[in-house]
Amino acid sequence: SQQGEEDPQALSIQEGENATMNCSYKTSINNLQWYRQNSGRGLVHLILIRSNEREKHSGRLRVTLDTSKKSSSLLITASRAADTASYFCAHNSGGSNYKLTFGKGTLLTVNP
Amino acid sequence: GAGVSQSPSNKVTEKGKDVELRCDPISGHTALYWYRQRLGQGLEFLIYFQGNSAPDKSGLPSDRFSAERTGESVSTLTIQRTQQEDSAVYLCASSLGPGTSGSPEQFFGPGTRLTVL
Repeated sequence: SQQGEEDPQALSIQEGENATMNCSYKTSINNLQWYRQNSGRGLVHLILIRSNEREKHSGRLRVTLDTSKKSSSLLITASRAADTASYFCAHNSGGSNYKLTFGKGTLLTVNP
Repeated sequence: GAGVSQSPSNKVTEKGKDVELRCDPISGHTALYWYRQRLGQGLEFLIYFQGNSAPDKSGLPSDRFSAERTGESVSTLTIQRTQQEDSAVYLCASSLGPGTSGSPEQFFGPGTRLTVL
């Protein structure tokens, strides 16, 4: 399977703390994307990092990419209760420039 | 502007019945994707449409599944003779066409939760 893997599967923190989620993949990629999903419904795109980038920021989000280790991390700083959601990484699979392979996700719970 | 919409939001059907799920993509998005998400799992790719090109159907799990798209507009996913294992959330996404640097950002609809009794 080329499915990516996130870890941890679940993470519970207090409001104000930082949350770090990791993602590993098996194939070469053009880019890697992170998505958030609330309540098991539609996903929302958070950030895209290209294979020639090592780090990217967007507001309270920081994404890193290590292509030598085939891994990425998503850091959410100063977490809020509203950040409670499942977070998925996604990457191209099989040399395709459109087909995304999603991991199983990390369920983040931010306690007020 | 309007996002991706899907209908119905929930569908309960009996085993053996056919169901049709609808997706309205964002206007101007040439690419449209269908995914299936079982409870507690990630997304499984089902099918991809890009403009007038032949769709990539490689993710459809069986011949009971089919999808159509007219031009760059509405798409329907049809599941014939539904089985209990078809119960899942079916998500549709649209995007601009693929570029040279990998998949573009995909915009997701709210999904259709299908329950097969």
